[in-house]
Amino acid sequence: DADVTQTPRNRITKTGKRIMLECSQTKGHDRMYWYRQDPGLGLQLIYYSFDVKDINKGEISDGYSVSRQAQAKFSLSLESAIPNQTALYFCATSDPGASSYNEQFFGPGTRLTVL
Amino acid sequence: QKEVEQDPGPLSVPEGAIVSLNCTYSNSAFQYFMWYRQYSRKGPELLMYTYSSGNKEDGRFTAQVDKSSKYISLFIRDSQPSDSATYLCATGRGSSNTGKLIFGQGTTLQVKP
Repeated sequence: DADVTQTPRNRITKTGKRIMLECSQTKGHDRMYWYRQDPGLGLQLIYYSFDVKDINKGEISDGYSVSRQAQAKFSLSLESAIPNQTALYFCATSDPGASSYNEQFFGPGTRLTVL
Repeated sequence: QKEVEQDPGPLSVPEGAIVSLNCTYSNSAFQYFMWYRQYSRKGPELLMYTYSSGNKEDGRFTAQVDKSSKYISLFIRDSQPSDSATYLCATGRGSSNTGKLIFGQGTTLQVKP
């Protein structure tokens, strides 16, 4: 099923370009997250949002910005892409009322390459 | 030092072997412990969770937590080629807190037929 979708799935861009990665969900969850995954580093939290008006920085927010356009949409922007932002990017959602352990549901990922 | 440490492997085992995957964590405030499984070119999916010391079984999978030593394990019995994936441990303080999860680096497992 496609409860959490990400576009594009793959993107190659050049240094200095502005890039937007989009995430949409049909799960009705309030909480949304953006992670990046690098080999050997696991998942690192970039930004998270508990609702449309609540956006918080994660561990590695420098060089990134986000926009929560609606409950179902959470976009990640790279204002001026650099090669070390080459990574796999995941969007995730969660419903705090559904589980005390905050199960997160991930999209399929966007593979971004910055040349 | 990362809050959650996990050996990235890779780990290669023959079909039918018992697999042991391990993580350590540093913050005693963490209350929930999870294992996510990530197949190639897919997002992670929750495999198991637990919130207390001891063992939790689900079919061929057993999650084990030792809070006194801050150690998390996942055991896979009778491993199958379909178990080939990256396994990520994760921990956090729960939904009533920030709900943030801290992930380990992930261990890549290959089960050979």
